[in-house]
Amino acid sequence: LAKTTQPISMDSYEGQEVNITCSHNNIATNDYITWYQQFPSQGPRFIIQGYKTKVTNEVASLFIPADRKSSTLSLPRVSLSDTAVYYCLVGPPLDSNYQLIWGAGTKLIIKP
Amino acid sequence: DAGVTQSPTHLIKTRGQHVTLRCSPISGHKSVSWYQQVLGQGPQFIFQYYEKEERGRGNFPDRFSARQFPNYSSELNVNALLLGDSALYLCASSLDSGNIPYEQYFGPGTRLTVT
Repeated sequence: LAKTTQPISMDSYEGQEVNITCSHNNIATNDYITWYQQFPSQGPRFIIQGYKTKVTNEVASLFIPADRKSSTLSLPRVSLSDTAVYYCLVGPPLDSNYQLIWGAGTKLIIKP
Repeated sequence: DAGVTQSPTHLIKTRGQHVTLRCSPISGHKSVSWYQQVLGQGPQFIFQYYEKEERGRGNFPDRFSARQFPNYSSELNVNALLLGDSALYLCASSLDSGNIPYEQYFGPGTRLTVT
């Protein structure tokens, strides 16, 4: 099972770029890397997913090096509303009989 | 478009009782997953259903069961409630495989308190 390791917490300031790195040393060939965001008392929200290199959407970018043993979620110019817990998940597609393992996530606090 | 809906929002039960939680997926989504989230921890996978069949089961006791109906809605049942079952129960739906194989849409959750 591909286990992930990410920082327990991070602080930053409004307007800054925030990078959260996740380590997944034993990632398998058919595993994808997915990031979710969760606000208190709400369900997680899908942010971005990737397999290799770089993926960008309107919310974030995901950088994956060639060896895929880590990944970095980049949030450009954060605001106070980006304060949340961010989860890095690694696993094969949902259509396989496999369960994603969620860690404790990274609690990101944005300060004014 | 309506997102994933769950009912009830909050629930208080006594030890030993039974509870049923309900989930309606996004229209067109055929896969539903259930998660338990204890305060301060990430969600723990309980079940995944696709086309009314169980496709995955997490490490939970047999007191936990679920089913998916022809309209793709789902129920999670928990028997003989324990204090440790107090948690936020999350339902997520997805299109299953596709371009983004892990894009799940979560509902707001049901907050279960067992006293």
